[in-house]
Parts: sequence; C-alpha cells; structure tokens
Amino acid sequence: ELKVEQNPLFLSMQEGKNYTIYCNYSTTSDRLYWYRQDPGKSLESLFVLLSNGAVKQEGRLMASLDTKARLSTLHITAAVHDLSATYFCAVDRDDKIIFGKGTRLHILP
Amino acid sequence: DAGVTQSPTHLIKTRGQQVTLRCSPKSGHDTVSWYQQALGQGPQFIFQYYEEEERQRGNFPDRFSGHQFPNYSSELNVNALLLGDSALYLCASRPGGSIVDEQYFGPGTRLTVT
Repeated sequence: ELKVEQNPLFLSMQEGKNYTIYCNYSTTSDRLYWYRQDPGKSLESLFVLLSNGAVKQEGRLMASLDTKARLSTLHITAAVHDLSATYFCAVDRDDKIIFGKGTRLHILP
Repeated sequence: DAGVTQSPTHLIKTRGQQVTLRCSPKSGHDTVSWYQQALGQGPQFIFQYYEEEERQRGNFPDRFSGHQFPNYSSELNVNALLLGDSALYLCASRPGGSIVDEQYFGPGTRLTVT
C-alpha cells in the first residue's frame, strides 16, 4: 500500500530563515506533486517532479526528488509572511494519488 | 479558460439523504479525479474517471459512486449520508495519457451533514 509521510506537520519560523519540508513515500511512483493550500481554499499546484534528481524552483521555493531514497524535499529560502499556508506532497502511482497529511507553515513577521 | 469548476459551492444535507456534486474539467482535460478533504486533513483519493469509466478507486465504500459524461464532466454521488461525510470535496482534472501534465483542482464543494 502506498503511504506518504510528511514532516514536520507544523512549522513556525521567522521571516528571512531557511527551512526544508520532507516527504517520504513507501513505494515507487510515477509522479510527485507539491501543492499549497490557503485556509478555506482549494489546492494550488506548485511543482510536478517526474524523475530521479529532478529539481524545480519557483521564487523562494525549490523542490527536489530522490526516487532511490523515495524522498522529496521542499526548501524555503528567506521565508516571507506570504508563504504562510499548508503544503502537501502527493504521490501518483498508476493514477492513484495519495496525499501526505500536510505541513502547516506559519511565518512570523 | 474557466479552469476546473464545481457546483454547488456549499451544501447542507441531513443524515441518510443522498447528494450529487458536479465538476467540469479544465478545457482540453479528459481525466477527472475526486477527493474528500476533512477539516485539518490531507485530501483522500476517492476515484478517477477516464473515457467515462472508473479507472482507479481509493478506500471508500460503495455509497460513493460517480459518473463521467461524454463531454468529460463528472458527478460524485454519495448515498445514505453520514455525519462523517462532512468535508470539502475537490475535483481535479488533467489530460489523460500525459505523464508530464499536472492536475488542476477546482474550488471545491463544502458538504455539511447534520
């Protein structure tokens, strides 16, 4: 059974600091997604990672994928308050998509 | 391009009733997936439709059923509603057969069962 674990589940950090969210999954996958969700809102797609060693960056966010370790990371550089949200990773195997529990990120001004 | 649309936005039902939620995929997308997101939790995969057939299904009882129409729009039906069915129901679409394309989520339907 495909399982996805994120850590930490909660993260409070100061503006300007760097931090990393980790996503481990239990079996091989076809795709790995990162999403952002603001309170009461739907999911916004951030990144789709397909292959081992894939790295994608958008602004202060960078995602990477290590398929051998079954690990993806979402790195936040010089955090700003606007990045406060819940971040989910999700793994797609044979079109069955399993989400992690999410990391609730709170960035203090 | 309207993106993924869902209706209704909010819905209140009573235990034991039945509900139908609707989703129109993004233009050019033919694959639709449904998710249930309880408060404070990650989305749970319900099922995926492609070419009007259920292609994959998560761990949900048979009370949850769906349909996809020739225009690729989709419905989610839930029978015999329970209090625990209260959640945000999300629809997502992507082009079928494409390994690189991401899926796009609709705004969701918030279902409250009393």
